[in-house]
Amino acid sequence: KNQVEQSPQSLIILEGKNCTLQCNYTVSPFSNLRWYKQDTGRGPVSLTIMTFSENTKSNGRYTATLDADTKQSSLHITASQLSDSASYICVVNAGNMLTFGGGTRLMVKP
Amino acid sequence: NAGVTQTPKFQVLKTGQSMTLQCAQDMNHEYMSWYRQDPGMGLRLIHYSVGAGITDQGEVPNGYNVSRSTTEDFPLRLLSAAPSQTSVYFCASRAGWPEYGYTFGSGTRLTVV
Repeated sequence: KNQVEQSPQSLIILEGKNCTLQCNYTVSPFSNLRWYKQDTGRGPVSLTIMTFSENTKSNGRYTATLDADTKQSSLHITASQLSDSASYICVVNAGNMLTFGGGTRLMVKP
Repeated sequence: NAGVTQTPKFQVLKTGQSMTLQCAQDMNHEYMSWYRQDPGMGLRLIHYSVGAGITDQGEVPNGYNVSRSTTEDFPLRLLSAAPSQTSVYFCASRAGWPEYGYTFGSGTRLTVV
């Protein structure tokens, strides 16, 4: 069964600090992996996409990594801002079917 | 360009009632999907459509019907609401290739009492 596990489930950090969110997956066949940001009461919005051949991709203060051998991905947030408070969801695409992780709820405090 | 529009944003139903959650997109996307999001769980696929006139079941289809008569619209019907269907429902669409990301609507929060 395809599964995507994210850790931690929740995280509280101070504004300006960095943090790293983890995603482990057992999905086959692997097409790509996306990180989504979901603000409270809103739908998820794509942050970055990782394909099999990509190891690192950045989008502003967000940097995603992918290790296809160990089937792990991480999302690193640099110099966090209050607006980063949201749920971050790892989504793995197997062909046309998506498998969603349960998300990490991040709270950035001033 | 409105993206994906879902209505209503909130709804309370009594057990046994039926209703339709509306979803419309103006991006000419082929793929449209309905997901439900429950606390502590990832989004789960209810039904999806790869184009007008074509629909298929996802992971949790029981109790829901869909149709896709036009490219733009993909309504989700609850036949006889049950408390287990209390959830947040998201509609999403994307262009043809899997590499394109999904665009999600803002969700419908449904409570069945």
